[in-house]
Amino acid sequence: GENVEQHPSTLSVQEGDSAVIKCTYSDSASNYFPWYKQELGKGPQLIIDIRSNVGEKKDQRIAVTLNKTAKHFSLHITETQPEDSAVYFCAARDTDKLIFGTGTRLQVFP
Amino acid sequence: KAGVTQTPRYLIKTRGQQVTLSCSPISGHRSVSWYQQTPGQGLQFLFEYFSETQRNKGNFPGRFSGRQFSNSRSEMNVSTLELGDSALYLCASRLTSGVEYEQYFGPGTRLTVT
Repeated sequence: GENVEQHPSTLSVQEGDSAVIKCTYSDSASNYFPWYKQELGKGPQLIIDIRSNVGEKKDQRIAVTLNKTAKHFSLHITETQPEDSAVYFCAARDTDKLIFGTGTRLQVFP
Repeated sequence: KAGVTQTPRYLIKTRGQQVTLSCSPISGHRSVSWYQQTPGQGLQFLFEYFSETQRNKGNFPGRFSGRQFSNSRSEMNVSTLELGDSALYLCASRLTSGVEYEQYFGPGTRLTVT
């Protein structure tokens, strides 16, 4: 089955800097890769996703890139703000379910 | 439109007991998935229900079970609780079955087993 590894586990950046979170997956058949943001006391929320027929997708300050050959995908957040502080999870499709990475705690300092 | 609601929000149980958690999906959503979240294992898929039928199941023992009612509300049950079952249990709903449809998570039920 699918296995997803996520790095780093914690990330601290200064407000205004960029943050990058990386994930690798094992199943070359995976074709859907969502990213979730989880704030304290809340459930995860989908922030962006990418399908395997696309190499990059952007939504304002957030972008995701996918390298199918290397089987890795990354989340890029530019011009970080304190409200970006949260735990971020990547996921990959395994047939009819999602396999999640172990999460990255992002802290943005003012 | 109301979001996904889960009850109770917090629960303390003793080893050996059983517990039932409830989830009400977003109105109109027919798919409900359950996840277990722990610091060590992260988010792990338990099962998905769609139209009152279990569609998918993760790698959890048979002590974990669920069901879905005709109004799409879902319950999950854990029998013979173990200390390792302490976790945040998250429910997520989708309009229909299929991982590529956006799923909306509830706030979770924090279960503590003593």
